[in-house]
Amino acid sequence: RKEVEQDPGPFNVPEGATVAFNCTYSNSASQSFFWYRQDCRKEPKLLMSVYSSGNEDGRFTAQLNRASQYISLLIRDSKLSDSATYLCVLADSSYKLIFGSGTRLLVRP
Amino acid sequence: GAVVSQHPSWVICKSGTSVKIECRSLDFQATTMFWYRQFPKQSLMLMATSNEGSKATYEQGVEKDKFLINHASLTLSTLTVTSAHPEDSSFYICSARVWVEGAGTQYFGPGTRLTVL
Repeated sequence: RKEVEQDPGPFNVPEGATVAFNCTYSNSASQSFFWYRQDCRKEPKLLMSVYSSGNEDGRFTAQLNRASQYISLLIRDSKLSDSATYLCVLADSSYKLIFGSGTRLLVRP
Repeated sequence: GAVVSQHPSWVICKSGTSVKIECRSLDFQATTMFWYRQFPKQSLMLMATSNEGSKATYEQGVEKDKFLINHASLTLSTLTVTSAHPEDSSFYICSARVWVEGAGTQYFGPGTRLTVL
């Protein structure tokens, strides 16, 4: 079983739509959780950290459920520029990052 | 945020040659840098942890004699792919870790695309 599992997509949505990505992880000892964004042929960039209380940054909302070992990312009012691959990432006890294989989002006009 | 650079951004080489990739932290010092590899449509896989002034720690399945890592200063780590073969063609990305309020944040370089003919 992979340590971090994501639906690969692609999610093809119109501009303005709300889209949700889910992620599950297998190691209950994982310390920190993040969503990264990766554009084609580029390096990943930190989108936001994920906290148990849930956190929001503009149109983006992240949730963490430690009991279910489940993380989510909600994007409201999708923009064309949101098209990218979204990576679910966790840090283990030694702060090594473990990456999911990503969910691809395509936002169409 | 902190800036990490990589050089070269892409390289094409013949099978059997060695290729060196540099990773630099431009505006901060990093005692720990990481080297990742990403094959098409796959996730980033950690290859090794590079520690300034000491030997790198390699992940299981990564050949330390093939992927030589040197972290000679607080701002520079290098990865040398020795005797490269076509199966080594990949996107190599480094990151540097910064501690902020007790949590380690990694900043990624722009990556190096290696193609071995």
